[in-house]
Amino acid sequence: KQEVTQIPAALSVPEGENLVLNCSFTDSAIYNLQWFRQDPGKGLTSLLLIQSSQREQTSGRLNASLDKSSGRSTLYIAASQPGDSATYLCAVGPAQGGSEKLVFGKGTKLTVNP
Amino acid sequence: ETGVTQSPTHLIKTRGQQVTLRCSSQSGHNTVSWYQQALGQGPQFIFQYYREEENGRGNFPPRFSGLQFPNYSSELNVNALELDDSALYLCASSQQGKETQYFGPGTRLLVL
Repeated sequence: KQEVTQIPAALSVPEGENLVLNCSFTDSAIYNLQWFRQDPGKGLTSLLLIQSSQREQTSGRLNASLDKSSGRSTLYIAASQPGDSATYLCAVGPAQGGSEKLVFGKGTKLTVNP
Repeated sequence: ETGVTQSPTHLIKTRGQQVTLRCSSQSGHNTVSWYQQALGQGPQFIFQYYREEENGRGNFPPRFSGLQFPNYSSELNVNALELDDSALYLCASSQQGKETQYFGPGTRLLVL
């Protein structure tokens, strides 16, 4: 059974700092891995999607990496801003079922202080 | 803006009651997935519907059931509500074979 773990559970940083969020998964047989953002009481917004054959994806100040063999992914946020404050969720799409039956971690709650 | 809508936004029920949650998928999407997110947890996959048929189910009991309609909108029904059913229920729509899912804002259910 696939399990996804995110460390740390919460992170507080000053504005402008670069930061890394970590995600690990137990079964390397994945279809892809996605990072989502969730604002309090809201739905999910997809940030980055990495195919199982890819090593990284970039979007603006965000960079996500994937090391499938070791079961790890990181989300790097450059020059953090108060508007980045949210919960960041990592999810894997299992090889059997694809990306529409995602297995999520519990998330990392990020607070960026002005 | 995702285009996925859910209703109602909030709901309060008592133990043993039944509830129906609704989801309108984004235009052109034929697949709807439902997730349950308890407080402080990540979303958990309940089931998925494609072309009006269930196409995969997570570890949820049969009292969680669903429907998908010809216009690809969907309902999640929960019978015999339990206190632990209190959660944010999220629906996500996609085009079968396409990887990007678009999530709705969710319905927050409180069971007393």
